[in-house]
Amino acid sequence: SQQGEEDPQALSIQEGENATMNCSYKTSINNLQWYRQNSGRGLVHLILIRSNEREKHSGRLRVTLDTSKKSSSLLITASRAADTASYFCATVLGYSSASKIIFGSGTRLSIRP
Amino acid sequence: GAGVSQTPSNKVTEKGKYVELRCDPISGHTALYWYRQSLGQGPEFLIYFQGTGAADDSGLPNDRFFAVRPEGSVSTLKIQRTERGDSAVYLCASSTGGHSYEQYFGPGTRLTVT
Repeated sequence: SQQGEEDPQALSIQEGENATMNCSYKTSINNLQWYRQNSGRGLVHLILIRSNEREKHSGRLRVTLDTSKKSSSLLITASRAADTASYFCATVLGYSSASKIIFGSGTRLSIRP
Repeated sequence: GAGVSQTPSNKVTEKGKYVELRCDPISGHTALYWYRQSLGQGPEFLIYFQGTGAADDSGLPNDRFFAVRPEGSVSTLKIQRTERGDSAVYLCASSTGGHSYEQYFGPGTRLTVT
């Protein structure tokens, strides 16, 4: 079964609105990463948040991590058409050479003009 | 500098044939990953190299799949006796360290087994 699961699976919002995507996981993590994938392209790294961090910002992106609830959220503020893409969380379990990285199945975000 | 490149971009092969997929990581990146992605799904981890050695090959689905990175840079994913279920996009990524570093992904190789 998947370690990280995003929700919703699909999200359609009006340009200018904020978009929130969530990622839940089952076991303790080392860190959690968010990636974006445009249709037919490779993934692009957005933000990495470590298990001892609660919030990180990068431009219009805000990521929170709640280890007690085993969940993370990605907020995109003032959405633009170019934000249309699939967004994936990747959870990293364990440390050093024994660590594992597991991607969720993603949230497909559509921004309506 | 150049990003991660993968060749070929598309590969169509017949069931039972052997295929090789190539990944050129970013120069100097010690970590290299192979993933497989099916339509509508997230990347599925296959194998992770740190330098020349496979640090974790637990994601390889069976012994038909094998990957090498002989000089610690370019990597080749090899699939023997291909099956239709192997059809997917195969993604390669590299990073400066292990799992706690951002990964830079290539555009992928779309493999179709007919």
